[in-house]
Amino acid sequence: SQQGEEDPQALSIQEGENATMNCSYKTSINNLQWYRQNSGRGLVHLILIRSNEREKHSGRLRVTLDTSKKSSSLLITASRAADTASYFCATLGSGSRLTFGEGTQLTVNP
Amino acid sequence: DVKVTQSSRYLVKRTGEKVFLECVQDMDHENMFWYRQDPGLGLRLIYFSYDVKMKEKGDIPEGYSVSREKKERFSLILESASTNQTSMYLCASSPTLDRGLYEQYFGPGTRLTVT
Repeated sequence: SQQGEEDPQALSIQEGENATMNCSYKTSINNLQWYRQNSGRGLVHLILIRSNEREKHSGRLRVTLDTSKKSSSLLITASRAADTASYFCATLGSGSRLTFGEGTQLTVNP
Repeated sequence: DVKVTQSSRYLVKRTGEKVFLECVQDMDHENMFWYRQDPGLGLRLIYFSYDVKMKEKGDIPEGYSVSREKKERFSLILESASTNQTSMYLCASSPTLDRGLYEQYFGPGTRLTVT
């Protein structure tokens, strides 16, 4: 079952703008992860946030987690054309399985 | 850097053929996974493996089997390929919980077309 659900499904912005993507999930989690997928390629891990963390930064990425609302957001600041990709959230519950959402397609126009 | 490789980027097979998709990782990870990715459905887990010779069904195992004879290699087998198995297949690996937090490392994917 798809626990993570990303919103919006597609986002188009201009270079230099910020991009925000949201993820909602249904059950309790150990951590939540964000991945990027360039067209026709495999997924690349971007950032992980544990269930006891509220915010995490990595370069131009900022992730927040609200476990009371079962939601997370990924902010990409000062976007570049190279950020054009699909972005997926994935939740880790018990065990080693990740459950992925359907992704947000981000297009950054030069 | 962790490297996960898949045997083919593109594959075209006929209905009824037996198809082998191979995945190899070089980081001594215990866990390996096979997903398929379809438009509008995201990634769906087919099978995964915690260790050599161990396998667990994922969400959509029907029509597939797997083999893990060596720690670094995880094979996905389509016993009799059908057109509804046309998809992008992604392999991933991850370390155990006490060495990581199940961050997964993905291969480049195999786009399989069954005609």
